[in-house]
Amino acid sequence: NAGVTQTPKFQVLKTGQSMTLQCAQDMNHNSMYWYRQDPGMGLRLIYYSASEGTTDKGEVPNGYNVSRLNKREFSLRLESAAPSQTSVYFCASSEVIAGGGTQYFGPGTRLTVL
Amino acid sequence: AQSVAQPEDQVNVAEGNPLTVKCTYSVSGNPYLFWYVQYPNRGLQFLLKYITGDNLVKGSYGFEAEFNKSQTSFHLKKPSALVSDSALYFCAVRDSPGAGKSTFGDGTTLTVKP
Repeated sequence: NAGVTQTPKFQVLKTGQSMTLQCAQDMNHNSMYWYRQDPGMGLRLIYYSASEGTTDKGEVPNGYNVSRLNKREFSLRLESAAPSQTSVYFCASSEVIAGGGTQYFGPGTRLTVL
Repeated sequence: AQSVAQPEDQVNVAEGNPLTVKCTYSVSGNPYLFWYVQYPNRGLQFLLKYITGDNLVKGSYGFEAEFNKSQTSFHLKKPSALVSDSALYFCAVRDSPGAGKSTFGDGTTLTVKP
């Protein structure tokens, strides 16, 4: 039981390049999330997927797109990276109803945009 | 709308002393409250949650939290701090256990000195 996995762990991009961050969970959770973490700003929600087939914008969606590929996988795409997107990105999944919405986080992807 | 405030960026305590990390929240309806911990270069880990029932909730690693509805607070506590408790702590709130999103505080850095 691996929990939530993210690839890659580290990435350096040049301004304007594109990339996709991958996330997968093996806990059969319906809901999945993408956050970014910047110093002094806590966690900010980029996009979330309440269930397979649905996605919704969070606080800071500009410059990002997401795909809920199936129940297990939720990817985040940067179409044209900008230095302001330098951050640590976390994927999470959550139990609903019985679990009360407890979230389980991946180890993170540290992205630098030059 | 829902929100969380962690009024202290940093809390310093001596090993063996009790610790408190403060959290206040705002939510319409019944709150679902969570504490998460983040160790350096790691993802967030779930510590404990309040959904309903007893106002004092016990969680992992000897931590507990007290839900106070009148003061809209959910402070994290531990009777005797360990150096290994040093980490970044996040409080989070949501207004339902179902599919939806949590709102996180900005985090409090706890430092326990020997």
